[in-house]
Amino acid sequence: DGGITQSPKYLFRKEGQNVTLSCEQNLNHDAMYWYRQDPGQGLRLIYYSQIVNDFQKGDIAEGYSVSREKKESFPLTVTSAQKNPTAFYLCASRKDRLTDTQYFGPGTRLTVL
Amino acid sequence: QKEVEQDPGPLSVPEGAIVSLNCTYSNSAFQYFMWYRQYSRKGPELLMYTYSSGNKEDGRFTAQVDKSSKYISLFIRDSQPSDSATYLCAMSAGGNFNKFYFGSGTKLNVKP
Repeated sequence: DGGITQSPKYLFRKEGQNVTLSCEQNLNHDAMYWYRQDPGQGLRLIYYSQIVNDFQKGDIAEGYSVSREKKESFPLTVTSAQKNPTAFYLCASRKDRLTDTQYFGPGTRLTVL
Repeated sequence: QKEVEQDPGPLSVPEGAIVSLNCTYSNSAFQYFMWYRQYSRKGPELLMYTYSSGNKEDGRFTAQVDKSSKYISLFIRDSQPSDSATYLCAMSAGGNFNKFYFGSGTKLNVKP
């Protein structure tokens, strides 16, 4: 089955620790995205990548970092510099520029203790 | 002003009702319009996709786009309790513009 996987589903972290969230897709999509979702708010863009070895900051990139070494993978690191990291994190990929839409993974719930 | 505005609800309807969900937007460059359904603690699931203006129907769901008014709608006929979820609208300009813009979501509750 083609799709986007995110792991783990739930993640707990102590304050001051960095943590990496995994995102893998086997849809052969070029572009991938990371969003953060807080209760009662829409999706806020953290980072996106159009192609391998290239990525751009979104609207709330401070305290986050990403890499795109492979087309299939786009991991997100939440650093200790992120002031309020507890949230639901969603990874997505974009099908193509002709049928412009996004597909989402199941999400990772990060809780900072 | 937000790029996309969506009434957060919650919207509560009886089973079998027709549901109307709406979003307005400000950017006339948007050409691709999407509706996602999101169950609690799950990732959004693509429900409907429309390019430019017009209607699109898929089973009990109909998506409408009125670009002249910058207004999009999702209609759900014969609503079911399983339709209870948060509905997100999204849109993009397409092409070389890689960003997508989302509404904040409308929470729908269909009562049996």
